[in-house]
Amino acid sequence: GENVEQHPSTLSVQEGDSAVIKCTYSDSASNYFPWYKQELGKGPQLIIDIRSNVGEKKDQRIAVTLNKTAKHFSLHITETQPEDSAVYFCAASIVAGGFKTIFGAGTRLFVKA
Amino acid sequence: NAGVTQTPKFQVLKTGQSMTLQCAQDMNHEYMSWYRQDPGMGLRLIHYSVGAGITDQGEVPNGYNVSRSTTEDFPLRLLSAAPSQTSVYFCASSYVASGDNEQFFGPGTRLTVL
Repeated sequence: GENVEQHPSTLSVQEGDSAVIKCTYSDSASNYFPWYKQELGKGPQLIIDIRSNVGEKKDQRIAVTLNKTAKHFSLHITETQPEDSAVYFCAASIVAGGFKTIFGAGTRLFVKA
Repeated sequence: NAGVTQTPKFQVLKTGQSMTLQCAQDMNHEYMSWYRQDPGMGLRLIHYSVGAGITDQGEVPNGYNVSRSTTEDFPLRLLSAAPSQTSVYFCASSYVASGDNEQFFGPGTRLTVL
């Protein structure tokens, strides 16, 4: 079935460094790729998304890139801050009747001050 | 707007008991869904609904039932709880049942089945 693989599962960086999280999806019909941030004890919240007709999108310190041919997409966080510490989920949205969003397993990001 | 609300926040059940997890949204969203979150497995879709009266199965539907009698409410029923259903459950909604819409998540229900 549809699958989204996410790496790494844990990432630790120094404050000010960059962080990169990578995802791979299996279904070539996927056309929407959101990234969610989950803080402790809360539900996930959308931070950025990209559609299949766009190769890159940036919003301040975060950016997402998409390689449709390779079925890869990545989240880039620059100038990391302690408040960036959270679990990040990538997802791929598959339109099939209704629609289903398949999530990656998550990356726990630690930003050390 | 309260957004997406879930009750209860925490619940402990014994094996074989049944219960309903409540989810409500006040944003007039068409699409609602239930996920379970387990360590190392991310969020897995249990059931979803594209509108009142319409529901469908996700990746892991066994042992759960849903109904959508109103736009606002989407309860999740555990028919006979099993330890394997110990998890954190999230309800989510989005404006339209389209693959490219942001999902808004509730705060979650932490369920333990003994």
